[in-house]
Amino acid sequence: GAVVSQHPSWVICKSGTSVKIECRSLDFQATTMFWYRQFPKQSLMLMATSNEGSKATYEQGVEKDKFLINHASLTLSTLTVTSAHPEDSSFYICSASSRIRSSYEQYFGPGTRLTVT
Amino acid sequence: RKEVEQDPGPFNVPEGATVAFNCTYSNSASQSFFWYRQDCRKEPKLLMSVYSSGNEDGRFTAQLNRASQYISLLIRDSKLSDSATYLCVVNRGNQFYFGTGTSLTVIP
Repeated sequence: GAVVSQHPSWVICKSGTSVKIECRSLDFQATTMFWYRQFPKQSLMLMATSNEGSKATYEQGVEKDKFLINHASLTLSTLTVTSAHPEDSSFYICSASSRIRSSYEQYFGPGTRLTVT
Repeated sequence: RKEVEQDPGPFNVPEGATVAFNCTYSNSASQSFFWYRQDCRKEPKLLMSVYSSGNEDGRFTAQLNRASQYISLLIRDSKLSDSATYLCVVNRGNQFYFGTGTSLTVIP
């Protein structure tokens, strides 16, 4: 399958600081990238959908000013958690999607574990 | 109504057992269907795509019933390493909709 990388794989930061997470599709061009968050023992929650060169579409309840998404190219999307608080501590996972023949397939990055102290 | 409904389990089965997971989707315009596997503290990994004709990959068999809007995954001869959460995923356009996942624990 296709390869998606995510960096950093884990980060610990102090409350009030901002954290940037990068998501890259390494061997294909992704038409769309998705950002998810997962709390322990809970399901994946879609935060936003991002298409290259356009503004991200955020899910209801996700603050766009707090979770800044930039999708500068077909292989790179970034998520910046601004003014992070302990309740933002979570597992953040990106995925990249591309059209394969007549359907879309989605591949996940390895995730970033964020801990805000 | 949720896009994708999935029994969260948990399913606890003995090694060697056959176990089946089911999933329903609400939008008949859905186009593609997948089963993903997620291990604890890891990202989901694609297990298999699901086709109308049904498809098999070793001990795993996936079925799609478009009329009933229903997807299934059958695991035969369960191994300890099959313990994970299995996610049903439905695609429409460039959007993907996830079930809550079904937790499977295979017991020695």
